[in-house]
Amino acid sequence: GAGVSQSPSNKVTEKGKDVELRCDPISGHTALYWYRQRLGQGLEFLIYFQGNSAPDKSGLPSDRFSAERTGESVSTLTIQRTQQEDSAVYLCASSRGIGGTQYFGPGTRLTVL
Amino acid sequence: SQQGEEDPQALSIQEGENATMNCSYKTSINNLQWYRQNSGRGLVHLILIRSNEREKHSGRLRVTLDTSKKSSSLLITASRAADTASYFCATEIIQGAQKLVFGQGTRLTINP
Repeated sequence: GAGVSQSPSNKVTEKGKDVELRCDPISGHTALYWYRQRLGQGLEFLIYFQGNSAPDKSGLPSDRFSAERTGESVSTLTIQRTQQEDSAVYLCASSRGIGGTQYFGPGTRLTVL
Repeated sequence: SQQGEEDPQALSIQEGENATMNCSYKTSINNLQWYRQNSGRGLVHLILIRSNEREKHSGRLRVTLDTSKKSSSLLITASRAADTASYFCATEIIQGAQKLVFGQGTRLTINP
């Protein structure tokens, strides 16, 4: 596609439920990144993929967070047993290779009630 | 504290004036990038300046980088109401796997 897409655009869930967020990167982009942005804050790095391997998972806040990537394509970020503190916008970005310009998707706004 | 810190946190100016935002960082970098965000959603890449560059221009944008002071500035000339947004600097750090580390952003408001 023309740009990075994410789904859903908005997700409201109850505390304790699992959620799955999806990111479709720009075709041909080997690197994919996930960030979290709380209201009025900067971006918090979560994880990045080079191909389908994740060399850097250092940003994942807890073991409730996990991410997968299929080949050099779609990625899913899964949050298990959601907590209210997980409420944020989750942004995905992709780039041709590691480093350089990242192209961002519109984000998924997650609200945990 | 943050790798990238923007200053000021908020800036409000009149249309037509120039806007200057600053960014400071702590560790060695490959490059520094500026992004813009409207309405708290997706970010748009504005400009990238490499660690061996000192100044870069793109349209009404001018970015400077001083690696000795570990700081950068973004200047928007002849501001327009449409420039109202949050602006983030992001440093691509060298250690370990390359990744972007974002600052907290500057909220810029252009008053018509």
